[in-house]
Amino acid sequence: DQQVKQNSPSLSVQEGRISILNCDYTNSMFDYFLWYKKYPAEGPTFLISISSIKDKNEDGRFTVFLNKSAKHLSLHIVPSQPGDSAVYFCAASFLHGSGNTGKLIFGQGTTLQVKP
Amino acid sequence: DADVTQTPRNRITKTGKRIMLECSQTKGHDRMYWYRQDPGLGLRLIYYSFDVKDINKGEISDGYSVSRQAQAKFSLSLESAIPNQTALYFCATSEGAGGPYEQYFGPGTRLTVT
Repeated sequence: DQQVKQNSPSLSVQEGRISILNCDYTNSMFDYFLWYKKYPAEGPTFLISISSIKDKNEDGRFTVFLNKSAKHLSLHIVPSQPGDSAVYFCAASFLHGSGNTGKLIFGQGTTLQVKP
Repeated sequence: DADVTQTPRNRITKTGKRIMLECSQTKGHDRMYWYRQDPGLGLRLIYYSFDVKDINKGEISDGYSVSRQAQAKFSLSLESAIPNQTALYFCATSEGAGGPYEQYFGPGTRLTVT
């Protein structure tokens, strides 16, 4: 049972435009969410996170939005650059509760291509 | 130098062979993790260790074992490799209890079982 889902395997956008990557989750107990970026032949790198007490977190060109009622989060990249072309994974975790704190459950990933 | 290193980076082995993948970290983190990545399935947790004496199975631990030799070292073993264990394997680390819980990944090991 996939608790974290990224239903779009790929996304293509033009340089300078907005990229929106989506992620849905099923477990309402998740209270911490993260986005990772992965280039070929490298490990995933942490991009941005958000706790469930917020609905938005911004870091430069990257903004993550959380809609708890819809169990949905999204990553916005504005403006998109060719160097943003990578695989993006969303992940969910628990900040509280016994045993599971810190474990990440990942989505399947979305490949973003930003065209010059 | 990289904070999280994995050896080997690439490995081709035959069905039935025993193989060990090694992970070392210089971040001083208590927690370490092993994941595998398969196309269309994302990253799935194999084993994790919250400290040297605390090792736990993840969602897909069958066919794998681990050893936490020290705070900085966490090894993954395939006792008898099979072709469906062909995948990209990642080691990761994170802070201990209280967080933050961002995980830091190594560069990966590409394993092919023929």
